[in-house]
Amino acid sequence: DGGITQSPKYLFRKEGQNVTLSCEQNLNHDAMYWYRQDPGQGLRLIYYSQIVNDFQKGDIAEGYSVSREKKESFPLTVTSAQKNPTAFYLCASNPGYASGELFFGEGSRLTVL
Amino acid sequence: GNSVTQMEGPVTLSEEAFLTINCTYTATGYPSLFWYVQYPGEGLQLLLKATKADDKGSNKGFEATYRKETTSFHLEKGSVQVSDSAVYFCALIEGNQGGKLIFGQGTELSVKP
Repeated sequence: DGGITQSPKYLFRKEGQNVTLSCEQNLNHDAMYWYRQDPGQGLRLIYYSQIVNDFQKGDIAEGYSVSREKKESFPLTVTSAQKNPTAFYLCASNPGYASGELFFGEGSRLTVL
Repeated sequence: GNSVTQMEGPVTLSEEAFLTINCTYTATGYPSLFWYVQYPGEGLQLLLKATKADDKGSNKGFEATYRKETTSFHLEKGSVQVSDSAVYFCALIEGNQGGKLIFGQGTELSVKP
């Protein structure tokens, strides 16, 4: 079945460590996104990529990094510079035109110990 | 800038009650409007959308009408079920933003038997 796969579902990290969250899609979509979800704050855009080898900062990019070497993959690295990384992270994709219909993965919950 | 404001939750209803979740928006142009739903522990799914004024989006018994005069897109359902318990997000996108949605903060709905 086509869809977006995020892994791991749960991740624990010690302070000072970088972690990478995986996002893979087999929908042949051009555009991919990373959102952060905190209770009561909705979704905030971290980074997005509209084509391979190109990406742009969203509203809260500080302390995060991404790459887009393949159309199917858009991994997110949460670096030690991110001051409050404990959150639920959602990856999404869409075909690249302005439909607004995003297809989401099931999310990755990161907890910093 | 563009923004979306939703009524605060949580909203608690009995089964078969009428549901309204208010959503208002601020936009400089003519946005498309969306409702997404997030079931516990999952990513978001598109519930319905409307792309121009006076359009009505509908799906699974839910409806919302794009009201340009009141800049609103309220979500309604005539008779909720326990399975409708979820978090509901209102969102907008402006024409050339290529899937870069702006989300409201989400409204949690809990339906009791």
